[in-house]
Amino acid sequence: DTAVSQTPKYLVTQMGNDKSIKCEQNLGHDTMYWYKQDSKKFLKIMFSYNNKELIINETVPNRFSPKSPDKAHLNLHINSLELGDSAVYFCASSQDWTGRNTQYFGPGTRLTVL
Amino acid sequence: DAKTTQPPSMDCAEGRAANLPCNHSTISGNEYVYWYRQIHSQGPQYIIHGLKNNETNEMASLIITEDRKSSTLILPHATLRDTAVYYCIVRVARKDSNYQLIWGAGTKLIIKP
Repeated sequence: DTAVSQTPKYLVTQMGNDKSIKCEQNLGHDTMYWYKQDSKKFLKIMFSYNNKELIINETVPNRFSPKSPDKAHLNLHINSLELGDSAVYFCASSQDWTGRNTQYFGPGTRLTVL
Repeated sequence: DAKTTQPPSMDCAEGRAANLPCNHSTISGNEYVYWYRQIHSQGPQYIIHGLKNNETNEMASLIITEDRKSSTLILPHATLRDTAVYYCIVRVARKDSNYQLIWGAGTKLIIKP
């Protein structure tokens, strides 16, 4: 069984469109994350949720809106997509927010904005 | 900004030990060092972490210098499946009292037959 799953795996869309990426974890973890990996392969935290509550919002444009309907799901909605949003987006989860526990990553969603 | 520097790439022969260095000269006393790896087109995978003492698990060993300004990840018997990008990461405490991982640029390790 996949621990952290994301859909879709690939997303190709036009500038200006709105799109969503979904993430689910079946590990019973309290904390979930969204990371962005750019073309230079740096991973940067975007958001973190603990028990459905936003705890980290890392100066991301407000076109990006995360939503956590329950602690097993963290979705990412992006409005008015721009060329610079092209990247691989990773969802991750950990047992709690302290950072002392292993983060488990999903397979990633490769977003291409044309 | 990254708090770690790593060589961009390294080669290692299959069956030999792979030693991956990392510099973290600005690390603070309570900041942990983490290592993750990313195999092509997959999500990052946790390897090991440590604060001051050397650590070992089933995947690797982590050697941290006494001054904590650098560390080395050791894969004792590298296999072809260990070919990946290896990230050295520092866990920092944020001003909002949460913690986050600050990722470096990574070392692309290529294991050769």
